Amino acid sequence: GNSVTQMEGPVTLSEEAFLTINCTYTATGYPSLFWYVQYPGEGLQLLLKATKADDKGSNKGFEATYRKETTSFHLEKGSVQVSDSAVYFCALSDQGGKLIFGQGTELSVKP
Amino acid sequence: GAVVSQHPSRVICKSGTSVKIECRSLDFQATTMFWYRQFPKQSLMLMATSNEGSKATYEQGVEKDKFLINHASLTLSTLTVTSAHPEDSSFYICSARGQMALRNTEAFFGQGTRLTVV
Repeated sequence: GNSVTQMEGPVTLSEEAFLTINCTYTATGYPSLFWYVQYPGEGLQLLLKATKADDKGSNKGFEATYRKETTSFHLEKGSVQVSDSAVYFCALSDQGGKLIFGQGTELSVKP
Repeated sequence: GAVVSQHPSRVICKSGTSVKIECRSLDFQATTMFWYRQFPKQSLMLMATSNEGSKATYEQGVEKDKFLINHASLTLSTLTVTSAHPEDSSFYICSARGQMALRNTEAFFGQGTRLTVV
């Protein structure tokens, strides 16, 4: 079945450091891929998405490229801020619209 | 993006009582709504999928009689936790997909409801 695997957290970085959160997936067909962010005590917000191979999603300085050959969708940001501290979820959408989530990666950015 | 409103955001109830959570799409018609549950420090697990006007489809292991889902209109779905117990305490989140949404596009999420059963 479809699945998503993320790197384990928590990830602790200093402000302005480079961020990579790895995400790989297993899926039949051609899923869409997403990154969601959850700030403390809140619901999920869509951060970025990519719907086909080689697409790059980007938002708020975050980027991720849909790599079909490596079945990956790694999240990157060149310079993180304290306000980026949150839990990040990688997800894929199957044909029926269900979202299958990775286990989440907690990011903590220190000043 | 489209707006999905979930209410209440927090609720505390006594063991044995029932709690209803509402999920509304405010500016689009949601033909499909999804209900997820999130345990502390864990990922989201899909509980059920509901399509407007039909019975919900539950994921394996989810008790249909305990988690009642109603999707009576294109803008409202409700989740009722019946005879709640402390182990039902969790963060429940809904999401909705629009009528004209292409396949494989994103669903929009409500802000979540934190249920605490005491």
